[in-house]
Amino acid sequence: QKEVEQDPGPLSVPEGAIVSLNCTYSNSAFQYFMWYRQYSRKGPELLMYTYSSGNKEDGRFTAQVDKSSKYISLFIRDSQPSDSATYLCAMTSGSGGSYIPTFGRGTSLIVHP
Amino acid sequence: KAGVTQTPRYLIKTRGQQVTLSCSPISGHRSVSWYQQTPGQGLQFLFEYFSETQRNKGNFPGRFSGRQFSNSRSEMNVSTLELGDSALYLCASSLQGVGYEQYFGPGTRLTVT
Repeated sequence: QKEVEQDPGPLSVPEGAIVSLNCTYSNSAFQYFMWYRQYSRKGPELLMYTYSSGNKEDGRFTAQVDKSSKYISLFIRDSQPSDSATYLCAMTSGSGGSYIPTFGRGTSLIVHP
Repeated sequence: KAGVTQTPRYLIKTRGQQVTLSCSPISGHRSVSWYQQTPGQGLQFLFEYFSETQRNKGNFPGRFSGRQFSNSRSEMNVSTLELGDSALYLCASSLQGVGYEQYFGPGTRLTVT
């Protein structure tokens, strides 16, 4: 079992839909959780960063962390064709400057007009 | 503020050769991390340099090495290239390190023939 599981998709939705992207993890030591968006042939772009259970909202994006269930989600409201990209979850464990980040394999999202 | 830059953007090398990739972080960022991204393995952490010292290291062979200069610019070297080293190599910079918000460059696409 991989430390971080993420459905590769593709996930195809109509413009305006609410999108839900998810990752599960097995390592309870993960403390910091991130979501990145990666367009084709580009580097990942940080969307959300959180370290506590609960919800964090930023514009159309909401990140949700449930440490008890080892489950994180990213919700995108009013999805746009420009949101079509691969979404990567990432998690980091460690302390005192010693950290190892682990990424999910990414979910491909297609938002069609 | 300028983003993370990587040079070169594309590179073709022959098996057995060595290669050096360069990364210039966002101004003021002292942490530079390197990642390998392949379709098969996804995004994997290579190592992190912080203030010229390697602070964290992923699970890659010793053929992969790096260094960081006093101006925070970093280089990654891969010796004795193998076909399996063909990948997108990404660097990311951060104010505090891999456990915190990171900003990725566009990557260097390395092809080993």
